[in-house]
Amino acid sequence: EAQVTQNPRYLITVTGKKLTVTCSQNMNHEYMSWYRQDPGLGLRQIYYSMNVEVTDKGDVPEGYKVSRKEKRNFPLILESPSPNQTSLYFCASSFAGSVYEQYFGPGTRLTVT
Amino acid sequence: SQQGEEDPQALSIQEGENATMNCSYKTSINNLQWYRQNSGRGLVHLILIRSNEREKHSGRLRVTLDTSKKSSSLLITASRAADTASYFCATDASQAGTALIFGKGTTLSVSS
Repeated sequence: EAQVTQNPRYLITVTGKKLTVTCSQNMNHEYMSWYRQDPGLGLRQIYYSMNVEVTDKGDVPEGYKVSRKEKRNFPLILESPSPNQTSLYFCASSFAGSVYEQYFGPGTRLTVT
Repeated sequence: SQQGEEDPQALSIQEGENATMNCSYKTSINNLQWYRQNSGRGLVHLILIRSNEREKHSGRLRVTLDTSKKSSSLLITASRAADTASYFCATDASQAGTALIFGKGTTLSVSS
């Protein structure tokens, strides 16, 4: 089954404790991206990757890192999480960029206390 | 950088009625996409309409695009309780196809 998976689905952590949210897709998609969704603000892009080893900032990259060492994986790293990063995070992938339909993961609800 | 803006923010209708949501955007686009999100879950792609298209259909969904007015509409006909969800428009305005910009969404509630 074609899908985008994210782990963990729920995470409660404390300020400053490094964490990684994994994202994996099994569709051989070149493009992957991360969004955060906050009430009243909608979805905002954090980082995207056009292909392996090619990543770039989206609208709200501060406090986040990503890497794309393999085509299928695109982890989101929070080196020192802060409470303002409490949010619902989505990973998405597509065949090749925003020209194509995006396939979204189920979401990761992160709470930073 | 908010590009699309949906209207209305919330819509409540009865089963069997039609639901119309609108999206306005600010800059020229390559395509416009509509997504559905059930409460707290991942977004699901509904329809993609390219800038040179004016109308597209998919089952009970009809999407129109007016590039001169920088607006799009999503019509759901004969709505069902299962259509209850948030609906987002997303525009691709980037030169290199790097980013979709999402609106804040319309919350549709269909009661039986």
